[in-house]
Amino acid sequence: SQQGEEDPQALSIQEGENATMNCSYKTSINNLQWYRQNSGRGLVHLILIRSNEREKHSGRLRVTLDTSKKSSSLLITASRAADTASYFCATDVNNDMRFGAGTRLTVKP
Amino acid sequence: SAVISQKPSRDICQRGTSLTIQCQVDSQVTMMFWYRQQPGQSLTLIATANQGSEATYESGFVIDKFPISRPNLTFSTLTVSNMSPEDSSIYLCSVAWDSNSPLHFGNGTRLTVT
Repeated sequence: SQQGEEDPQALSIQEGENATMNCSYKTSINNLQWYRQNSGRGLVHLILIRSNEREKHSGRLRVTLDTSKKSSSLLITASRAADTASYFCATDVNNDMRFGAGTRLTVKP
Repeated sequence: SAVISQKPSRDICQRGTSLTIQCQVDSQVTMMFWYRQQPGQSLTLIATANQGSEATYESGFVIDKFPISRPNLTFSTLTVSNMSPEDSSIYLCSVAWDSNSPLHFGNGTRLTVT
């Protein structure tokens, strides 16, 4: 069953703008991960943030985690058309990985 | 990271038949999983493929419908048995080196049952 819920379900922005996606979850977690899925492909791991971490960066990606609110956000800065994809959060609860419904991001050139 | 080869990449099958999907990894991995992703939906874990023993199935999935093999640390198969149109979905193999590692995915098998 799903654990995380992403918000918004779909997001359309212009190239160069920032994109923010949010993930809320219900139970305590070991870590939270973000994945990207291009159309018709498998998922690619982007970033993992542990429950005792509050923020993590990887290139143009910034992930925050607020365990008190049971929420996380993924920020993509200076977006590019190639960032067009679906983005999923996944929560690790005692080695049980559960995926959210995803946010469909469209970056217009 | 691992290279995960999943075959076939897509197939169109008739109801009542079975399809076996293969997942080959280029290195030994501790954990292998099978997920299902219905069109436009999130991923649902079908089962954990255990090397040398029976797979561990999630609620709603049974061995008779989704038999899984894992003869070694680099290979697994998932069979979708007695298919119906409701089984039309993307089936994804994923692996992890340990319980604290992220998942790595194959490109999936897009199954259409007519």
